[in-house]
Amino acid sequence: DSGVTQTPKHLITATGQRVTLRCSPRSGDLSVYWYQQSLDQGLQFLIQYYNGEERAKGNILERFSAQQFPDLHSELNLSSLELGDSALYFCASTSVQGNTEAFFGQGTRLTVV
Amino acid sequence: DQQVKQNSPSLSVQEGRISILNCDYTNSMFDYFLWYKKYPAEGPTFLISISSIKDKNEDGRFTVFLNKSAKHLSLHIVPSQPGDSAVYFCAARGNAGNMLTFGGGTRLMVKP
Repeated sequence: DSGVTQTPKHLITATGQRVTLRCSPRSGDLSVYWYQQSLDQGLQFLIQYYNGEERAKGNILERFSAQQFPDLHSELNLSSLELGDSALYFCASTSVQGNTEAFFGQGTRLTVV
Repeated sequence: DQQVKQNSPSLSVQEGRISILNCDYTNSMFDYFLWYKKYPAEGPTFLISISSIKDKNEDGRFTVFLNKSAKHLSLHIVPSQPGDSAVYFCAARGNAGNMLTFGGGTRLMVKP
């Protein structure tokens, strides 16, 4: 158990819909990262938040957005969903200071039909 | 533009033998490298890391080697065990915010 919690584990939705994925980081970790893994590919960095503020942005579509709340949990919002958005979405957390390795949650498998 | 590449999508080795997984990178600003292991339906799990100021780091059966001049790192697993069968990702840090850039992964199969 990495200490990072993601909900839901599985999500099936139709094209055009909007979904919200949730992540609770490890206790004490201020930084949250979102990654997307499509069909046995590598993990693509989407976005990072640190203590409530956006810190870095990767290959995140404009239809996607994220935020980190005062209690440090984070949500990834995916809208106007397309078939190609079907993927595993992982959240990871790190304290940023000192510890470099990020701890990953179990992921949310999104299927768009 | 893939800054971290794992050119072998899969590797098969016999139990007890050495497994060598390779990773190449292009960004000379990367200062920290990590290997993660991933089982199906689970999130990646941290395995071992190495700072750019070192050329080797060992942890039990796992050793990571870094060749900065060649921008190449490798993970050695000795001896390989069937339980090591998983997808291995290398990752590098050096961009803003401690973000990790991942390679595409190598699927390791260790045969009994």
